[in-house]
Amino acid sequence: KNEVEQSPQNLTAQEGEFITINCSYSVGISALHWLQQHPGGGIVSLFMLSSGKKKHGRLIATINIQEKHSSLHITASHPRDSAVYICAVRQGAQKLVFGQGTRLTINP
Amino acid sequence: KAGVTQTPRYLIKTRGQQVTLSCSPISGHRSVSWYQQTPGQGLQFLFEYFSETQRNKGNFPGRFSGRQFSNSRSEMNVSTLELGDSALYLCASSFDRPDEKLFFGSGTQLSVL
Repeated sequence: KNEVEQSPQNLTAQEGEFITINCSYSVGISALHWLQQHPGGGIVSLFMLSSGKKKHGRLIATINIQEKHSSLHITASHPRDSAVYICAVRQGAQKLVFGQGTRLTINP
Repeated sequence: KAGVTQTPRYLIKTRGQQVTLSCSPISGHRSVSWYQQTPGQGLQFLFEYFSETQRNKGNFPGRFSGRQFSNSRSEMNVSTLELGDSALYLCASSFDRPDEKLFFGSGTQLSVL
């Protein structure tokens, strides 16, 4: 079993829909990152969480430390949100461990 | 402020050769980490440097090595290349602590023939 599991692996939705991507992990962590990767490879860090909730524009990230679970929400989705979203966790000062990614496609 | 710069952007090598990739972090950032991304394995951590010292190392063979210079620029080297080393190699920088927000470079796409 992977230390970091994301669901779903693939998600296709219509423009305007509310999107949720989930990340579960099996170890205690010091931080969780949500990353976005567009075709061509470039990765952008969306959020870094250690507790609670963060919001940036139409993106919201939450984390429940007790349940070892985080969610990334996108409100009013747009085709430009189409990308691979990757969850990564760090345990203390240890290495970053990545989920397998969720490929999101938003159709106009 | 310039972002994280990786060079070269693309590289083609043959089996048995060695390769050196370069990463220049954002000015003022002292932590640089390296990652390998393949379609089969996804993103995997290679190593992390802070103030010229390796702080963490992933589960890769000794053929993979790296270093960081006093100006925080980092290089990674892969010796005796294998076909399976074909991947996108990404570096990321952060200011100080490893759990701070990461800023990624565009990556170096390495093809081993």
